[in-house]
Amino acid sequence: EAQVTQNPRYLITVTGKKLTVTCSQNMNHEYMSWYRQDPGLGLRQIYYSMNVEVTDKGDVPEGYKVSRKEKRNFPLILESPSPNQTSLYFCASSAKGQVGFWEQFFGPGTRLTVL
Amino acid sequence: EDKVVQSPLSLVVHEGDTVTLNCSYEVTNFRSLLWYKQEKKAPTFLFMLTSSGIEKKSGRLSSILDKKELFSILNITATQTGDSAVYLCAVRESNYQLIWGAGTKLIIKP
Repeated sequence: EAQVTQNPRYLITVTGKKLTVTCSQNMNHEYMSWYRQDPGLGLRQIYYSMNVEVTDKGDVPEGYKVSRKEKRNFPLILESPSPNQTSLYFCASSAKGQVGFWEQFFGPGTRLTVL
Repeated sequence: EDKVVQSPLSLVVHEGDTVTLNCSYEVTNFRSLLWYKQEKKAPTFLFMLTSSGIEKKSGRLSSILDKKELFSILNITATQTGDSAVYLCAVRESNYQLIWGAGTKLIIKP
């Protein structure tokens, strides 16, 4: 089954404790992206990657890191989480067509609470 | 600054009603506009629109784009309780970047 998977789905942690949220897709998509979703603010892009070893900042990259060592994986790293990073996080991927990238497929989401 | 604005922010109707959701945009390099439905989980793709005046249709849902007036509408006819969700609009401004609206929360009452 074609899908984007994220782990963990739920995480409660404390300020300053490093964490990683994994994202993996099995569709051989070139493009992957991380979003956070907060009430009233919609989806905001954190980082994106157009291919292996190619990453770039989105709208709200502060406090986050990513890496793209393999095509299928795109982990999100919070080196020192803070309470303002409490949010719902989505990973997404899309394939590249002739005129750019197609629609994004989303993972199930990770609900993160930082105390 | 590029932006996507959806209206209304929320809408409550009765089952069987028809609803129209709006998405207006100001984007420098428009490529396409996408609609997603989000229930209590990840957004799922509905439509992608690239050309003005061509209606996309899927069952009771349809959407159309007006590139001159810079907006799109999403219509849902004969609404059902299963249509209750947040509907998200996003505009692709280049080959890969999406700008998202805040969403319209639709509640269908039985």
